[in-house]
Amino acid sequence: QKEVEQDPGPLSVPEGAIVSLNCTYSNSAFQYFMWYRQYSRKGPELLMYTYSSGNKEDGRFTAQVDKSSKYISLFIRDSQPSDSATYLCAMTSGTYKYIFGTGTRLKVLA
Amino acid sequence: SAVISQKPSRDICQRGTSLTIQCQVDSQVTMMFWYRQQPGQSLTLIATANQGSEATYESGFVIDKFPISRPNLTFSTLTVSNMSPEDSSIYLCSVRQGGQETQYFGPGTRLLVL
Repeated sequence: QKEVEQDPGPLSVPEGAIVSLNCTYSNSAFQYFMWYRQYSRKGPELLMYTYSSGNKEDGRFTAQVDKSSKYISLFIRDSQPSDSATYLCAMTSGTYKYIFGTGTRLKVLA
Repeated sequence: SAVISQKPSRDICQRGTSLTIQCQVDSQVTMMFWYRQQPGQSLTLIATANQGSEATYESGFVIDKFPISRPNLTFSTLTVSNMSPEDSSIYLCSVRQGGQETQYFGPGTRLLVL
């Protein structure tokens, strides 16, 4: 079993839809949770960073962490074609070593 | 966040040759890392580039294959040595700034080995 599981997609949604992206993990020591967005032929760009459980909102993006279920989510409201990218979850127990999901490819259709 | 550049952005190389990838940051950073991203796989940490000392390699990666230098707090190089087609991948530099848990990535170097 991988430490972090993420559905690779692709996930196709119409413009304006609410998108839900998820990762599950097995290591209960993880405390810091990140979401990166990666456009084709670009490096990963940090979108959201959360510590421990709870929600964090930034504009159209909401990150949610449920440590009891070992489950994290990223919600995108009012999705736009410019949101089409691969979304990577990452987590760490607090060391420099990040464990990444394989990424979910999202396509927002105009 | 720091602005990170990598050179080259892409290259096509013959097997048996070596390629050195450069990573430049616009500000001093405490930690620099090198990752590999293969199609359909998660980002994998190759090593931590330590300023003034040998890099710290992760399991499965060795210095002879991936020598790394970090002469100062803003620059690092990764060499992919004696390349084979299995080394075809995207190589990414990332940095962590003092007191922060987060890492920021460069644009990546796309390597194809024939």
